[in-house]
Amino acid sequence: NAGVMQNPRHLVRRRGQEARLRCSPMKGHSHVYWYRQLPEEGLKFMVYLQKENIIDESGMPKERFSAEFPKEGPSILRIQQVVRGDSAAYFCASSLMANNEQFFGPGTRLTVL
Amino acid sequence: DQQVKQNSPSLSVQEGRISILNCDYTNSMFDYFLWYKKYPAEGPTFLISISSIKDKNEDGRFTVFLNKSAKHLSLHIVPSQPGDSAVYFCAATDTGTASKLTFGTGTRLQVTL
Repeated sequence: NAGVMQNPRHLVRRRGQEARLRCSPMKGHSHVYWYRQLPEEGLKFMVYLQKENIIDESGMPKERFSAEFPKEGPSILRIQQVVRGDSAAYFCASSLMANNEQFFGPGTRLTVL
Repeated sequence: DQQVKQNSPSLSVQEGRISILNCDYTNSMFDYFLWYKKYPAEGPTFLISISSIKDKNEDGRFTVFLNKSAKHLSLHIVPSQPGDSAVYFCAATDTGTASKLTFGTGTRLQVTL
């Protein structure tokens, strides 16, 4: 019974490149959440998606960031034209239903050179 | 605007004693609270939760207490074990309007022999 899977675990990009982070929720979970953790800080909510729908993107930066959760396949968090300030750990979580406990993946650590 | 606060960045406790981790919140709309444990380079692991209709929830060595009037909750670990050494995050949500979790900045617990 696999948990939430994220890949890659580590990602290095140069300024201006694109970063794609993938998240496969737990089996049977159709609710996916993305959080970002900057060094020495707590996790900050970015976006909440259900299959093919963005439910809440109130935590997403207005530019360069986008997320999707297609009918088939993993959820993708995409960061275009990365800058050094995007360096962080990005965590995906999934839940069976809205307002249930969220189960987290191991995270993707993005480093922007 | 830090809506969930963990004012103690670190705590050291001897093995076998009680660990008490504290959390304060400011948003009166929060009605569901969770504690997560996080090891380095891993995602947060759900520990225990409590709804605002209760003031205590217990699960093995872990007990969470909620004081709504003070907007304060605490996690008690008894007895503390070396394997409990990790960063503990308090999180809160308003189940009526949102599914996103608002996290505190974490408390690093060190259980010493």
